[in-house]
Amino acid sequence: DTGVSQNPRHKITKRGQNVTFRCDPISEHNRLYWYRQTLGQGPEFLTYFQNEAQLEKSRLLSDRFSAERPKGSFSTLEIQRTEQGDSAMYLCASSPSGGNGGELFFGEGSRLTVL
Amino acid sequence: GDSVTQMEGPVTLSEEAFLTINCTYTATGYPSLFWYVQYPGEGLQLLLKATKADDKGSNKGFEATYRKETTSFHLEKGSVQVSDSAVYFCALYGNNRLAFGKGNQVVVIP
Repeated sequence: DTGVSQNPRHKITKRGQNVTFRCDPISEHNRLYWYRQTLGQGPEFLTYFQNEAQLEKSRLLSDRFSAERPKGSFSTLEIQRTEQGDSAMYLCASSPSGGNGGELFFGEGSRLTVL
Repeated sequence: GDSVTQMEGPVTLSEEAFLTINCTYTATGYPSLFWYVQYPGEGLQLLLKATKADDKGSNKGFEATYRKETTSFHLEKGSVQVSDSAVYFCALYGNNRLAFGKGNQVVVIP
């Protein structure tokens, strides 16, 4: 399978703990996005990378959130000191060139439950 | 900022019924418009797109026409099947990202 891969698929944690999600984009896709989706809502943009450079972060991305893409391949999204409001599905998407005009390839998501 | 509004609520239909899901947008300029679909247990995937006014996107029997005058991109299908049961998201591409509507769950009953 050469699609976008996200791990873990589901994470349950206690409030105050740190969690990290990993995204492996489609090979050679140079743009990578993170979105967050809560129940009954559409995906909300968090941040995106062009190769290893993080080009934009949403105001939704508080100081407790950090994303990296160190070698321009896989990316990690870390949430420190989790809060119950962080419970959501975290989606990763990639595209082959720039934003590919909006044609993004999404992973199946990582669901976070904060108790 | 750019935004997309979808009609409220889930949609429940009988097989072979006609489906319409309304979508309107607010944007500066003329963004590309999309419908993405999320089948149960799967990731979001592109269903169809239109890049300029009056363009019609189509795929799998679904169609949507980019209407600049009404800022709309309504999704239609003439005869739905049980396999069309999914969540459908309207989206626009601008400022290097997709902006999504809230989505509509479609349930097709045999």
